[in-house]
Amino acid sequence: QSALTQPPSVSGSPGQSVTISCTGSSSDVGSYDRVSWYQQPPGTAPKLMIYDVRTRPSGVPDRFSGSKSGNTASLTISGLQAEDEADYYCSSYRSLNTLVFGGGTKLTVL
Amino acid sequence: QVQLVESGGGVVQPGGSLRLSCTASGFTLDIYGMYWVRQAPGKGLEWVAFIRYYGVNKYYADSVKGRFTVSSDNSNNTLYLEMNSLTVEDTAVYYCAKDGRPYAGNGYWFFDLWGRGSLVTVSS
Repeated sequence: QSALTQPPSVSGSPGQSVTISCTGSSSDVGSYDRVSWYQQPPGTAPKLMIYDVRTRPSGVPDRFSGSKSGNTASLTISGLQAEDEADYYCSSYRSLNTLVFGGGTKLTVL
Repeated sequence: QVQLVESGGGVVQPGGSLRLSCTASGFTLDIYGMYWVRQAPGKGLEWVAFIRYYGVNKYYADSVKGRFTVSSDNSNNTLYLEMNSLTVEDTAVYYCAKDGRPYAGNGYWFFDLWGRGSLVTVSS
């Protein structure tokens, strides 16, 4: 079960916007809207940031937004803040009742 | 307070067995699909197993199929992961996680609540 492809790292200055991509295939991202994004600061459990491609759970700032085009999903963080520094993981439902994660992207706020 | 608390991790020799527990509080576990997700040291997340609400269906990642078994005991609101024939590649922090909505036929496959994790180390 190969992982979804994410860039290993992205960075941005406070106030800027960054986008993290998540590329899958027609067996997962391309066929299902069950794409989610998780934030994981060092040493902590992941936290849900986006589900069903673009839905934010209550309590997640609207600076976080999700989208999808074809086999690629994206997480955009606008108005970067120091507290956004963390690892980010995408996930997607894959056919035959399985789930696949991306390899993770380390976000550095400069 | 709504939370998940894992326990049962530790050090085990290759070929050994271990059972993890995940106790839920603040919600009724049996109406939600529940998942196990693991994270090897310094690595990314890997989905391990899913159990449907009421425990009707269970699904596993290929890497653990035939060796791991997920189950639940609704009388004490606890999820389990029985792990057999462990290898060094199974070394990881194991998280239990809750489905984002109740009564999902085969899961909604997003996790709105995670436990803090339980470390399993497989080493001789």
